[in-house]
Amino acid sequence: DGGITQSPKYLFRKEGQNVTLSCEQNLNHDAMYWYRQDPGQGLRLIYYSQIVNDFQKGDIAEGYSVSREKKESFPLTVTSAQKNPTAFYLCASSIWSSGRAETQYFGPGTRLLVL
Amino acid sequence: AQSVAQPEDQVNVAEGNPLTVKCTYSVSGNPYLFWYVQYPNRGLQFLLKYITGDNLVKGSYGFEAEFNKSQTSFHLKKPSALVSDSALYFCAVRALMIKAAGNKLTFGGGTRVLVKP
Repeated sequence: DGGITQSPKYLFRKEGQNVTLSCEQNLNHDAMYWYRQDPGQGLRLIYYSQIVNDFQKGDIAEGYSVSREKKESFPLTVTSAQKNPTAFYLCASSIWSSGRAETQYFGPGTRLLVL
Repeated sequence: AQSVAQPEDQVNVAEGNPLTVKCTYSVSGNPYLFWYVQYPNRGLQFLLKYITGDNLVKGSYGFEAEFNKSQTSFHLKKPSALVSDSALYFCAVRALMIKAAGNKLTFGGGTRVLVKP
């Protein structure tokens, strides 16, 4: 899990509530990513950011929002518009380069459950 | 579009026997290929990656993977499996693009490996 921390480890959401998942890295990486993992499925990209104050939608961005105000931090908000939020959420970071296969390093994850 | 297939949901192997986890990919152009391992309720740990050059890539914990361009495969192997290798394994691919829309990886669905004593 290296220098990437995610909190909390478990998060409970009530109906209609927005919740925010924290992701912090001390690897001095430019790029950060949020993935969702459902049982029996691979990881699906929600959002990614290549640089501070910029981020892009991934494959399943609906119902989620992010911000990137600091290089070290990339919080994910699961909004009430996300109707099926129960999943394991993984944050990752990497060096950013356009022409190379930079390795992504993952945090320990946050499990989100709906009450 | 790029995609990854891991045809086996689960692989069972006896401790000490060879372990193979299969992965095939589809991508436009040359691929970058990765293997990650996930233990229960943990994040993914990087095992190895193929960029270019030697088709046999050696990685962490005694794992290796063989890139086969003609078969579009990147199978993960270990000569002698340990009980502690029991985990969920993911293959991922990224296409080499001149104007990269992010360092976007596409993951396979995962293969659960169970190594029995």
